Amino acid sequence: DTGVSQNPRHKITKRGQNVTFRCDPISEHNRLYWYRQTLGQGPEFLTYFQNEAQLEKSRLLSDRFSAERPKGSFSTLEIQRTEQGDSAMYLCASSLTGGNEKLFFGSGTQLSVL
Amino acid sequence: QKEVEQNSGPLSVPEGAIASLNCTYSDRGSQSFFWYRQYSGKSPELIMFIYSNGDKEDGRFTAQLNKASQYVSLLIRDSQPSDSATYLCAVTGNEKLTFGTGTRLTIIP
Repeated sequence: DTGVSQNPRHKITKRGQNVTFRCDPISEHNRLYWYRQTLGQGPEFLTYFQNEAQLEKSRLLSDRFSAERPKGSFSTLEIQRTEQGDSAMYLCASSLTGGNEKLFFGSGTQLSVL
Repeated sequence: QKEVEQNSGPLSVPEGAIASLNCTYSDRGSQSFFWYRQYSGKSPELIMFIYSNGDKEDGRFTAQLNKASQYVSLLIRDSQPSDSATYLCAVTGNEKLTFGTGTRLTIIP
């Protein structure tokens, strides 16, 4: 069990560019979550998957954001046409169904949009 | 009203004393409650969870839950400098966690 892995750790991009982040969950976990966290705030829910199915997406999430989990294992989060307001830590977490939502987080991807 | 509310602090506690962190939540249907510790620049780490009214102890940590008052707390006994961090309260709702903004705790040697 190597824990939740996220890549890259840091990403600096220019406004208007597209970025993609990857998350590899704990191997036996079938649920995968994406959260976003800005300085001084708690993590904010973006979306989650059970296996390959995306079950919920935050109403606050712009249509520039898309996430996939094609084979029910790793997931990608893409942000198109990035804006400065997208600068944040993007956190991935995984859990077991019926595990009472005990989420285990990866190290996160820190995005800076210049 | 925020769904999960915490005093943002900072909360300063002398080394060896008890640190008390509080959290209130708005959804009466919430079933599971969590405390995460987050060091600066790091991701949240699960340290305690509680599902039933009452107290749950794990080492120096005690989580307390009062569903009638919609209140969760975390006590840290014999506080150490390594306990200095932000503590996030999280509550389940619709199969996902909702987090508070966190309380920044500083242990003074």
